[in-house]
Amino acid sequence: GNSVTQMEGPVTLSEEAFLTINCTYTATGYPSLFWYVQYPGEGLQLLLKATKADDKGSNKGFEATYRKETTSFHLEKGSVQVSDSAVYFCALKPLGGGTSYGKLTFGQGTILTVHP
Amino acid sequence: DVKVTQSSRYLVKRTGEKVFLECVQDMDHENMFWYRQDPGLGLRLIYFSYDVKMKEKGDIPEGYSVSREKKERFSLILESASTNQTSMYLCASSYRDRRNSPLHFGNGTRLTVT
Repeated sequence: GNSVTQMEGPVTLSEEAFLTINCTYTATGYPSLFWYVQYPGEGLQLLLKATKADDKGSNKGFEATYRKETTSFHLEKGSVQVSDSAVYFCALKPLGGGTSYGKLTFGQGTILTVHP
Repeated sequence: DVKVTQSSRYLVKRTGEKVFLECVQDMDHENMFWYRQDPGLGLRLIYFSYDVKMKEKGDIPEGYSVSREKKERFSLILESASTNQTSMYLCASSYRDRRNSPLHFGNGTRLTVT
């Protein structure tokens, strides 16, 4: 079946530090890949996405590249801010129809805390 | 902007009660989902619906049922609440057949069963 594995948190960084959150996946074919972010007290919001190999998703200074050869979609940001403190989820949507019907499989989430 | 609204932010119920969690979306999405979020376990799919009156079990359907009588509304029902159903419940919606279509989430309902 499909699965997503994220690096374990929590991750604690100082402001302006470089961020990497690792994400690897197992799936048949070429799924679409997503990063979602959940700020305290809120639901999940889409951060970025990529739908085919070598695609790079980017938003708000965050980037992730769809790497088919390593089945990875690592999230990076060059300089984090206190406001980036949140929980980050990697997710995949399998290719094809049938009962997949757009279901996403999520990783376990990584808590990021950024200190001033 | 897509809006997914969950009727309650916080609920406290007693063991054995029947509990209804309501979710409404305003984007005419075909798909609607109920997830449960627990620390260290991420999001786990309880049920989803791909059309009115249509539903499929997710990964952890035991102890839950759902209802979708109208396209915009998807209800999660706990027939007899138990303490192990204390959790954060997230509703989401999306288009059905668009590969790039992301899920849009509500703000969640934190349910405590005592």
